[in-house]
Amino acid sequence: AQSVSQHNHHVILSEAASLELGCNYSYGGTVNLFWYVQYPGQHLQLLLKYFSGDPLVKGIKGFEAEFIKSKFSFNLRKPSVQWSDTAEYFCAVNADRSATNKLIFGTGTLLAVQP
Amino acid sequence: GAGVSQSPRYKVAKRGQDVALRCDPISGHVSLFWYQQALGQGPEFLTYFQNEAQLDKSGLPSDRFFAERPEGSVSTLKIQRTQQEDSAVYLCASSFGVWETQYFGPGTRLLVL
Repeated sequence: AQSVSQHNHHVILSEAASLELGCNYSYGGTVNLFWYVQYPGQHLQLLLKYFSGDPLVKGIKGFEAEFIKSKFSFNLRKPSVQWSDTAEYFCAVNADRSATNKLIFGTGTLLAVQP
Repeated sequence: GAGVSQSPRYKVAKRGQDVALRCDPISGHVSLFWYQQALGQGPEFLTYFQNEAQLDKSGLPSDRFFAERPEGSVSTLKIQRTQQEDSAVYLCASSFGVWETQYFGPGTRLLVL
């Protein structure tokens, strides 16, 4: 069965620090990969996604992620975080062309950015 | 346009009570998903509809859980004889097509006492 691992459950950074959140998945076939973000009091929203093509994907608010197939990884990065990036971040995967587009989520990483 | 809406936002139920959770997807979205998010966990898939057809219900944890989308728009997730382990946030998501981006609603937080 597919699964997603997020290595960091809680991350605390100061503003302007660089961010990298790890995500690994287990699935032998072709996958689609996602990062979702949930800001305090708000609903889940898509940050970025990878379906195919360039493995370096750019998303909203200066975030990017790199798909490394050999490592089954899809790490999220941002060169300089802001206080407003405080949120919970979820990595998700689905099996490409499965019967349904059900997303398998990791357990999430809670990021706190200190001003 | 308006996003996905869910009601109620909060629900407290006594153990054994039946509950019904409503999801209004984005207008025109064909695909609708329900997820369950326990405290400290990521969302877990429950069931999927394409229009009114329930094509995947593999994630429903027991036969106490039932979902419907009779006219291909609004969906209801019903939980019968609620148990404490049903306490979670229930998320609804919709997408224009099955492989399009899923847009999530705010969720219904269910607490079973």
